[in-house]
Amino acid sequence: EDKVVQSPLSLVVHEGDTVTLNCSYEVTNFRSLLWYKQEKKAPTFLFMLTSSGIEKKSGRLSSILDKKELSSILNITATQTGDSAIYLCAVPQGGSEKLVFGKGTKLTVNP
Amino acid sequence: DSGVTQTPKHLITATGQRVTLRCSPRSGDLSVYWYQQSLDQGLQFLIQYYNGEERAKGNILERFSAQQFPDLHSELNLSSLELGDSALYFCASSVGTFYGYTFGSGTRLTVV
Repeated sequence: EDKVVQSPLSLVVHEGDTVTLNCSYEVTNFRSLLWYKQEKKAPTFLFMLTSSGIEKKSGRLSSILDKKELSSILNITATQTGDSAIYLCAVPQGGSEKLVFGKGTKLTVNP
Repeated sequence: DSGVTQTPKHLITATGQRVTLRCSPRSGDLSVYWYQQSLDQGLQFLIQYYNGEERAKGNILERFSAQQFPDLHSELNLSSLELGDSALYFCASSVGTFYGYTFGSGTRLTVV
């Protein structure tokens, strides 16, 4: 069965710290890996990584896909309190449009 | 505003009752997905519709059903509600998974 595992489950840091969130996956017919940020309610899309696009960056956030290790990391540099959220990793289940989500990493950034 | 509209935002109902959650997808998106998010389970896929047809089914209980109408809005019907059905229910829409989903803001269902 396709599976996504994220670590750590929760993380508490101080403003200005750099954090690395991990995601490992097991899926047949890998196509892409997606990162979402969930604050109060709806998850919002951050990045999509594919075999042809293994590294993405947006401001202080960046993500890398390691196809050999079946994993991805999400880096946030110079964290701010507004980065506090649950970060979700997901992969499409092989051959379908269903996304399989990890349980998320809850990041808390203290001032 | 993500463009995906879910109503109602909150719903409190008693055990044994039936409720209907509604979702309007983003303009141009033909696929609608329903997910359940509870504290211990994370986001769990329930069902997907594409242009009015059921395309994929997840771990959706028999007490739950859904449909997508010709105008592409979708409804999720939950019946014989139990305390354990209390959760956030999200609708998402997409052109195709390759581009990811856009989520609505969810309906928080509380069964008392």
